[in-house]
Amino acid sequence: GAGVSQSPSNKVTEKGKDVELRCDPISGHTALYWYRQSLGQGLEFLIYFQGNSAPDKSGLPSDRFSAERTGGSVSTLTIQRTQQEDSAVYLCASSQPGQGYNEQFFGPGTRLTVL
Amino acid sequence: DQQVKQNSPSLSVQEGRISILNCDYTNSMFDYFLWYKKYPAEGPTFLISISSIKDKNEDGRFTVFLNKSAKHLSLHIVPSQPGDSAVYFCAASAWVYGNKLVFGAGTILRVKS
Repeated sequence: GAGVSQSPSNKVTEKGKDVELRCDPISGHTALYWYRQSLGQGLEFLIYFQGNSAPDKSGLPSDRFSAERTGGSVSTLTIQRTQQEDSAVYLCASSQPGQGYNEQFFGPGTRLTVL
Repeated sequence: DQQVKQNSPSLSVQEGRISILNCDYTNSMFDYFLWYKKYPAEGPTFLISISSIKDKNEDGRFTVFLNKSAKHLSLHIVPSQPGDSAVYFCAASAWVYGNKLVFGAGTILRVKS
């Protein structure tokens, strides 16, 4: 595709429910990242996939958060038993190493609101 | 522990003048620095970057300066245009940490016409 796409663009859920957020990276990009931006904060790294390597999960805030990347392309970020503090904009980015050091291309984000 | 800090939450500049956005970092392992620009309801877009082996990088109206001894970088926009009004994020990375970017909290730039 032309750019990174994410769905849904907005998600409102009740506390305790599970949510899934989807990211379609730029075709051919082997690296995929998830970040989140809470109100008034900068972007916070969550998880990083690179090719077939084991993902770097060091930024996941709790075991309620998990992510998968199927077939080296689409990624799904899952938040179980959502809490109000999970409310944030969740951003996905992709990059192709060698195309520019660390130049990551971001999607528009999913705004998650936990009531 | 904020490793990348943007101490000015907002900045207002007159059209045609220079905008200077500042960023400080604490981790001396960082070796690459980037500026991203973000409009409301859109994802951040890459603007300009600089490697730690340089002290200046210029791209059109945008120039990034790096002062390694002070652990400080700045983004200069000249001349500023109303379309530059956005949130600007400073980000840093280190090869030892993979490609993860550490972001500052952002500075809202408003360019008045």
